[in-house]
Amino acid sequence: DGGITQSPKYLFRKEGQNVTLSCEQNLNHDAMYWYRQDPGQGLRLIYYSQIVNDFQKGDIAEGYSVSREKKESFPLTVTSAQKNPTAFYLCASSGGGRPNEQFFGPGTRLTVL
Amino acid sequence: AQKITQTQPGMFVQEKEAVTLDCTYDTSDPSYGLFWYKQPSSGEMIFLIYQGSYDQQNATEGRYSLNFQKARKSANLVISASQLGDSAMYFCAMREVLTGANSKLTFGKGITLSVRP
Repeated sequence: DGGITQSPKYLFRKEGQNVTLSCEQNLNHDAMYWYRQDPGQGLRLIYYSQIVNDFQKGDIAEGYSVSREKKESFPLTVTSAQKNPTAFYLCASSGGGRPNEQFFGPGTRLTVL
Repeated sequence: AQKITQTQPGMFVQEKEAVTLDCTYDTSDPSYGLFWYKQPSSGEMIFLIYQGSYDQQNATEGRYSLNFQKARKSANLVISASQLGDSAMYFCAMREVLTGANSKLTFGKGITLSVRP
């Protein structure tokens, strides 16, 4: 079945460490997105990519970095420069016959100790 | 900038009854899209329904329908015959065109729906 996978589901890191969140899709979608969700809040866009080897900053990109070397993969690195990294991170993709719809992965809950 | 407003406090509905979740939006773009997503406690975002700004008919998907009132800039979600599994957070979102084919979704803060047996 086609879909989006994110791993791991729960991630714990010490303060000051960089951490990379995985996002893989087999939907053959061109566009991929990273969102952050804080408790009781909606989603905020971190980075997005419309095509391989190209990506753009979203609303809250500071302290994050991404790469898009393959169509299927869009990993997000949370760097030590991110001041409040504890949050729920969701990856999404869009394209194909339903370009208006963004399909979401199951999310990764990151806790920085 | 686009804005989505969801101001209802937690909503409660009796099983098998209908419920309306409110959403108002603000945009200066003539072309836009409105979405509703469901987020259960597991955290995944589940697409429910989409309404394009030029669509003549209100969107429907099974038990979900979107009451789109363009002049009032509202896009309320109606869930008919509520089920216990409908208990979740519900988010309204708007598609914003960035550059060329690039677009992003702007989300509201969400509404918690609890279905009572």
